[in-house]
Amino acid sequence: DAMVIQNPRYQVTQFGKPVTLSCSQTLNHNVMYWYQQKSSQAPKLLFHYYDKDFNNEADTPDNFQSRRPNTSFCFLDIRSPGLGDAAMYLCATSIGQGAFGTKNIQYFGAGTRLSVL
Amino acid sequence: AQSVAQPEDQVNVAEGNPLTVKCTYSVSGNPYLFWYVQYPNRGLQFLLKYITGDNLVKGSYGFEAEFNKSQTSFHLKKPSALVSDSALYFCAVRVGSSNTGKLIFGQGTTLQVKP
Repeated sequence: DAMVIQNPRYQVTQFGKPVTLSCSQTLNHNVMYWYQQKSSQAPKLLFHYYDKDFNNEADTPDNFQSRRPNTSFCFLDIRSPGLGDAAMYLCATSIGQGAFGTKNIQYFGAGTRLSVL
Repeated sequence: AQSVAQPEDQVNVAEGNPLTVKCTYSVSGNPYLFWYVQYPNRGLQFLLKYITGDNLVKGSYGFEAEFNKSQTSFHLKKPSALVSDSALYFCAVRVGSSNTGKLIFGQGTTLQVKP
């Protein structure tokens, strides 16, 4: 049973054309994260939401934005994709409360692979 | 700066042999450590964690990891490797607030198990 669902799995966009990636979760988790993973590299956190509170990483470019309209959904918007933004984008969730060990486990979606032409 | 290092880009083992994937960390305070596995074109799957307690942590699919505070290490182990264990493995350390702490990942180690 998929619990963190990312759509689409593969996305092709043109240089400079805005693109939106989608993530939904059935876990009712408080926290949702977006990571960027370039080829053969570690995932790098872009930002996260705790409920409606948005937390941006200091080195995340302004080109990347996010929206969380409700608990279940979170979107990653890339306003003007460049060639360097081609990557796998991973969404993850965590409980964010309760037993310390449990609430810090992050559950990942399968990812969206973005190509920029 | 808080960080995680995985010194080996790739580990090769024969099926049925024990495997070890190495991880060292550098954090201030108590470390909260995790191992994740990633299969091709998939997201990361949680394997196990160390928060506190026993230094030997058991996780999914027969994997375990040993926390060693003096050596600042958290190596992933399995007594008998399977071909299906071949994947990319990430060690991670949690940093930040008590509710939403983020994960900092090592660079990953590719495990290749040969029949």
